[in-house]
Amino acid sequence: DVKVTQSSRYLVKRTGEKVFLECVQDMDHENMFWYRQDPGLGLRLIYFSYDVKMKEKGDIPEGYSVSREKKERFSLILESASTNQTSMYLCASRNPSGRSTDTQYFGPGTRLTVL
Amino acid sequence: EDQVTQSPEALRLQEGESSSLNCSYTVSGLRGLFWYRQDPGKGPEFLFTLYSAGEEKEKERLKATLTKKESFLHITAPKPEDSATYLCAVRLASGGSYIPTFGRGTSLIVHP
Repeated sequence: DVKVTQSSRYLVKRTGEKVFLECVQDMDHENMFWYRQDPGLGLRLIYFSYDVKMKEKGDIPEGYSVSREKKERFSLILESASTNQTSMYLCASRNPSGRSTDTQYFGPGTRLTVL
Repeated sequence: EDQVTQSPEALRLQEGESSSLNCSYTVSGLRGLFWYRQDPGKGPEFLFTLYSAGEEKEKERLKATLTKKESFLHITAPKPEDSATYLCAVRLASGGSYIPTFGRGTSLIVHP
């Protein structure tokens, strides 16, 4: 089974802090994604990565950056956390050349609160 | 304007009371439509992918169908453990990009 893990389930940070959210997948997937999920707004794509050292902006990249130095790990960075970044953050991975090429596998999520 | 619209936003059913969730999309050139289940405080879990009108897929009490502009997730004789948020997403054929667009979800509660 594909496993996507996220470093924290719950995180509380102060305004202005630099925040790192880590995501690791164990199935050698090339594609990885970061979403945020807010009530009434659904899933919104922040950044995605087709492969190592590659990154593309999603629909709402402002205030975020990402890092993909190794294939299995995709990090989301909040350079200076703000209260409007309080949200549930979801990481996903996908294998573009396997049997289930259209399936995204999601991690359990990190609920971030910025005070 | 949302490209993917799910209805209803919330649905309450009694155990055993069958119903359907709807996912409609306005985009053309559909490459695939996906259904996910999400339990509270957890990440979405993949259920089905549909590619062409007329296609159907089943899993236990769930059956997904696809027409040219919408998909239905039919829930037959639901049980309380079917309570969850059901997400729909679509992927377009153009551009070669794999970036699905998600709907806002339908929250289903099944009462015993």
